[in-house]
Amino acid sequence: NAGVTQTPKFQVLKTGQSMTLQCAQDMNHNSMYWYRQDPGMGLRLIYYSASEGTTDKGEVPNGYNVSRLNKREFSLRLESAAPSQTSVYFCASKTTSSSYNEQFFGPGTRLTVL
Amino acid sequence: GNSVTQMEGPVTLSEEAFLTINCTYTATGYPSLFWYVQYPGEGLQLLLKATKADDKGSNKGFEATYRKETTSFHLEKGSVQVSDSAVYFCALNTGNQFYFGTGTSLTVIP
Repeated sequence: NAGVTQTPKFQVLKTGQSMTLQCAQDMNHNSMYWYRQDPGMGLRLIYYSASEGTTDKGEVPNGYNVSRLNKREFSLRLESAAPSQTSVYFCASKTTSSSYNEQFFGPGTRLTVL
Repeated sequence: GNSVTQMEGPVTLSEEAFLTINCTYTATGYPSLFWYVQYPGEGLQLLLKATKADDKGSNKGFEATYRKETTSFHLEKGSVQVSDSAVYFCALNTGNQFYFGTGTSLTVIP
């Protein structure tokens, strides 16, 4: 099992450009998440999807859109990138079991917006 | 609301020293509590967890006990190694959402 995979690993954008971050999991998990990690601020939730076909806003959704393409894949789109979106982005997934409720994380995408 | 507060870092210790990283939480309902570890350039990995009051999570010599009366989940290790150098995150889960602390950076020197 690959677990949670993310592409790309690194990306540099100019202000105003758009891009999509891809995430896939092979653990048959129902829930998937997008976080951003900034120095001194821990992880902040951007969007999450509790199940296929549903998405909900997290703490910092402005400037982002998401698509839960199927059970495996959850993408994050920046329509018009801004320097404030320079960050490390992590995708995570979890099962709905109450006993095994930990999140599994991907390796991250390091995004720089110039 | 729900939130996690953890000890500010960075923390620097000598090898074989005792480690404590404090974590307290505010939550509605009955959350599960977690410690995650992040090594440089990598994603977060689950270190240990506890799902109810008085549970003790343990892994790789690390321990944390879910204390409902003090709303705490402090991370401890009796003898740290250089390989424990990483950033440690305390987190809680209620329903579908997770809430993370800001992370504590640990450096262990030989």
